[in-house]
Amino acid sequence: AQKITQTQPGMFVQEKEAVTLDCTYDTSDQSYGLFWYKQPSSGEMIFLIYQGSYDEQNATEGRYSLNFQKARKSANLVISASQLGDSAMYFCAMRADRGSTLGRLYFGRGTQLTVWP
Amino acid sequence: SQTIHQWPATLVQPVGSPLSLECTVEGTSNPNLYWYRQAAGRGLQLLFYSVGIGQISSEVPQNLSASRPQDRQFILSSKKLLLSDSGFYLCAWSVLGNIQYFGAGTRLSVL
Repeated sequence: AQKITQTQPGMFVQEKEAVTLDCTYDTSDQSYGLFWYKQPSSGEMIFLIYQGSYDEQNATEGRYSLNFQKARKSANLVISASQLGDSAMYFCAMRADRGSTLGRLYFGRGTQLTVWP
Repeated sequence: SQTIHQWPATLVQPVGSPLSLECTVEGTSNPNLYWYRQAAGRGLQLLFYSVGIGQISSEVPQNLSASRPQDRQFILSSKKLLLSDSGFYLCAWSVLGNIQYFGAGTRLSVL
């Protein structure tokens, strides 16, 4: 079974500082994908960053980077230079790459990030 | 570029009434399509997914059904809504099961 754990229900960071949102996963698959999504108060899920299980380098997208530690089964999101607009719920998700659920995403319960001035 | 449209944005329905939520995707062919539900303060639960026209897979037994009458159209329905059907419903698409892109969602309140 696939499982995603986000242990931080809420995080606070000051504007312009960096913040790390934790995510651990559990899977018996060798091939899988890891994703981070941002959900502002409007509700839309916005894709941020993707890491494949065979990617040797950590993924980066602008101010977002994914700290992928395969042996520890962790995929933490690092946001550098936080902005007030980064305040939102952040979800970690994993894609199972085998079986009838190909393409299905398993989501964590999310971390509410608040950026203060 | 690809876009996904989902409507309505909000919906208030009485218990026992029917439901129809629509999702359409533009700019891509033969996408995988997904319906999720999000309860307040929770993560997303996959309800249905489809890899092609008329091909629907259900993840959890429930009061809802889904249909895909056209390649880029995905519809979530119910004949009789329950109070427990209230929530935030999100449609998503992907190509070959890769990155999923979501619509803006529908907030459904069943009273």
